[in-house]
Amino acid sequence: SQQGEEDPQALSIQEGENATMNCSYKTSINNLQWYRQNSGRGLVHLILIRSNEREKHSGRLRVTLDTSKKSSSLLITASRAADTASYFCATDATGNQFYFGTGTSLTVIP
Amino acid sequence: KAGVTQTPRYLIKTRGQQVTLSCSPISGHRSVSWYQQTPGQGLQFLFEYFSETQRNKGNFPGRFSGRQFSNSRSEMNVSTLELGDSALYLCASSGLGQSIGYGYTFGSGTRLTVV
Repeated sequence: SQQGEEDPQALSIQEGENATMNCSYKTSINNLQWYRQNSGRGLVHLILIRSNEREKHSGRLRVTLDTSKKSSSLLITASRAADTASYFCATDATGNQFYFGTGTSLTVIP
Repeated sequence: KAGVTQTPRYLIKTRGQQVTLSCSPISGHRSVSWYQQTPGQGLQFLFEYFSETQRNKGNFPGRFSGRQFSNSRSEMNVSTLELGDSALYLCASSGLGQSIGYGYTFGSGTRLTVV
């Protein structure tokens, strides 16, 4: 079974607004990563947060991790049309094998 | 530097046939993982190779197999294709052999259609 589950499944916002998506997972992890996928292409690594970190920033991205609740959130600020994509969280329960969630489909309306 | 290269990009096969997909990782990366992506099941882990050894295997039938060569290039093979094998197959490489904590670099994938 998959380790991560994203919520919501789909999100539609206006350009300039913030987008927040959440990820819940089931077992202890070493780290959690977020990826973006544009329509049927490969995934692009966005950001990694380690289990001993609570928050991390990268440009317009902000990721939080709450290991007690086994959840993470990805915030994209000041969204752009180019941010339209599917976003996945991935967790590594075993160190060499990542489990991906089902993804959140984000649509940013110009 | 060049990214992860997967060939072919698109493939159409008939049920019962077999198929081989290829992945060339980023130069210097020794870990290669394969994933199957379908609309219904999302991204499912197939297997991971490091230095020509399979280190992890997902929950797929024995029809799915793979290997890695000494130059880190990897192939996966699916025998006796079924309609349900239609999917986007993604290859990902990582530069840290003992821990892929720094993230994968994905290829663009091979879109396999079984008819």
